[in-house]
Amino acid sequence: EADIYQTPRYLVIGTGKKITLECSQTMGHDKMYWYQQDPGMELHLIHYSYGVNSTEKGDLSSESTVSRIRTEHFPLTLESARPSHTSQYLCASSDPGSGNQETQYFGPGTRLLVL
Amino acid sequence: GEDVEQSLFLSVREGDSSVINCTYTDSSSTYLYWYKQEPGAGLQLLTYIFSNMDMKQDQRLTVLLNKKDKHLSLRIADTQTGDSAIYFCAWDGYSTLTFGKGTMLLVSP
Repeated sequence: EADIYQTPRYLVIGTGKKITLECSQTMGHDKMYWYQQDPGMELHLIHYSYGVNSTEKGDLSSESTVSRIRTEHFPLTLESARPSHTSQYLCASSDPGSGNQETQYFGPGTRLLVL
Repeated sequence: GEDVEQSLFLSVREGDSSVINCTYTDSSSTYLYWYKQEPGAGLQLLTYIFSNMDMKQDQRLTVLLNKKDKHLSLRIADTQTGDSAIYFCAWDGYSTLTFGKGTMLLVSP
């Protein structure tokens, strides 16, 4: 059972607000990821991190930013939310040191609605 | 990058077998995965197969891999209403996984 947590689970916010989506894992995994999932189900990788002080942009251009100050924590920030940011955001982690190195474990997701 | 293709929707009756298919265009990966996503939840790892295997069975789940045709399938035996969910195949690449677009499985009583 994966121990990866996301807060809040649901968020309704007005346009222009700054928001931070939290993601924490207690498994000691070095790699962490953020995905945006559109209503059509498809997952889009927006950010990932190899470890502390590492952040990389994913396949989908995103106006969000991430930080990785601690191994267990990988928050995602939107400086100014817009209705186009309405989506589900999924956080995941993996342990590159294990034999099955890219197996990713997912959090429950944050469903964001920007009005 | 790699493309991973899945059929979008599958409907079966309870007790039947379900087969979800996945095709891809690149074969450089080591592991292929199947994930399940229930409504309102994140993705849950169901099973994975090493690229030098043809088949893996895990209780009601059977994974078949045809490397020549770049085709992966997930068979669910005795499908239950609790199996209704979105199923994603995924393939490891240079730095992360590539996910298919997902197949929505609907199981009717």
